[in-house]
Amino acid sequence: EVQLVESGGGLVQPGGSLRLSCAASGFTFSSYSMNWVRQAPGKGLEWVSYISSSSSTIYYADSVKGRFTISRDNAKNSLYLQMNSLSAEDTAVYYCATKWGDYWGQGTLVTVSS
Amino acid sequence: QLVLTQSPSASASLGASVKLTCTLSSGHSSYAIAWHQQQPEKGPRYLMKVNSDGSHSKGDGIPDRFSGSSSGAERYLTISSLQSEDEADYYCQAWGSGVVFGGGTKLTVL
Repeated sequence: EVQLVESGGGLVQPGGSLRLSCAASGFTFSSYSMNWVRQAPGKGLEWVSYISSSSSTIYYADSVKGRFTISRDNAKNSLYLQMNSLSAEDTAVYYCATKWGDYWGQGTLVTVSS
Repeated sequence: QLVLTQSPSASASLGASVKLTCTLSSGHSSYAIAWHQQQPEKGPRYLMKVNSDGSHSKGDGIPDRFSGSSSGAERYLTISSLQSEDEADYYCQAWGSGVVFGGGTKLTVL
């Protein structure tokens, strides 16, 4: 069974940092490019960042460029998102997903508030 | 710049069919898109990928009631024999040096 399980979300103060993780199982993680996608309360899906299977290509949405860093460890079947300088606008459920979204995680909630 | 346009809402009766549209911006009519369903209080679920020639590849376990097609810059998701559980938000996604999502269509089953 394919599984993507996010963790690391929580409540953080403005200006703070969080590191999200996504553990993959049930498929050949090292062969898949991956995305982080977020969804603010009551809003649509917003793409955050992309990383190719070998980590050679990385893209970020303008809204997070310079603040977020995506990475992966294929030996650990894991995807990461380091989030710095967080603001209220970053409050959302964060999902990890494959490039075309054929697999999605259940999401982890990040709340930025004082 | 790649932009995907979806109608904010659609409605159809139980047992009927509905066709949702995702329009690719000018210059991007050859792009493939993916359709995702998000039921209330749930995460997104992959439905299918639709290519510019109308061919499509569905995700595991997606019922035959769901089909995809294409015409020019428009990509379609048709749901037949509507059921109550089809009431959801539907998003299209394309790839262009990063992912682009449409704004989503909220489908109401009457």
